[in-house]
Amino acid sequence: GAVVSQHPSRVICKSGTSVKIECRSLDFQATTMFWYRQFPKKSLMLMATSNEGSKATYEQGVEKDKFLINHASLTLSTLTVTSAHPEDSSFYICSARVGDPYNEQFFGPGTRLTVL
Amino acid sequence: GQNIDQPTEMTATEGAIVQINCTYQTSGFNGLFWYQQHAGEAPTFLSYNVLDGLEEKGRFSSFLSRSKGYSYLLLKELQMKDSASYLCAVVDSNYQLIWGAGTKLIIKP
Repeated sequence: GAVVSQHPSRVICKSGTSVKIECRSLDFQATTMFWYRQFPKKSLMLMATSNEGSKATYEQGVEKDKFLINHASLTLSTLTVTSAHPEDSSFYICSARVGDPYNEQFFGPGTRLTVL
Repeated sequence: GQNIDQPTEMTATEGAIVQINCTYQTSGFNGLFWYQQHAGEAPTFLSYNVLDGLEEKGRFSSFLSRSKGYSYLLLKELQMKDSASYLCAVVDSNYQLIWGAGTKLIIKP
């Protein structure tokens, strides 16, 4: 099946710094990529949806200036958490989809972000 | 509002059968997904239903009733590795995926 990679898998940073997370579809071209956040024992919370070459669509309550998303190509999307704070500590997961919304999303392995 | 309901946690015995239910109230319906998520890992796709009825795939089956806003995931011949969270997600009229909170399944020997 389709493979999505995420890098880094874990990151620890100091408060106030910025962190970039990469999401790549390795063996297919993703029409749409999604960024999720997941708190312990909670479900996935969609942060934003991005299509290659266009601006990301952010969900209500998600600060677009804090969570910068760039979808430069059909195989790469990046999420940058700017001026990170301890409350941004979470599990961030990306997913990629080809074509129709009825198609399954393929998930990356996730990035565990800890902000000290 | 949109809502997906699943039990928070279920316990079953190795070798047995378990049914995980999901009820939904969404603005429109364009299909329902089941995903499996092991602790600390990303979700993996299990099934997709858009028409009423039962879809069988090995030990796992998924059922949908659109008129009742109801689906279930049936796991047979449970194995210890089936211990995971099972997420129900519905594609709404805007083609957005609405996620349930997940059901944590604990398998006991």
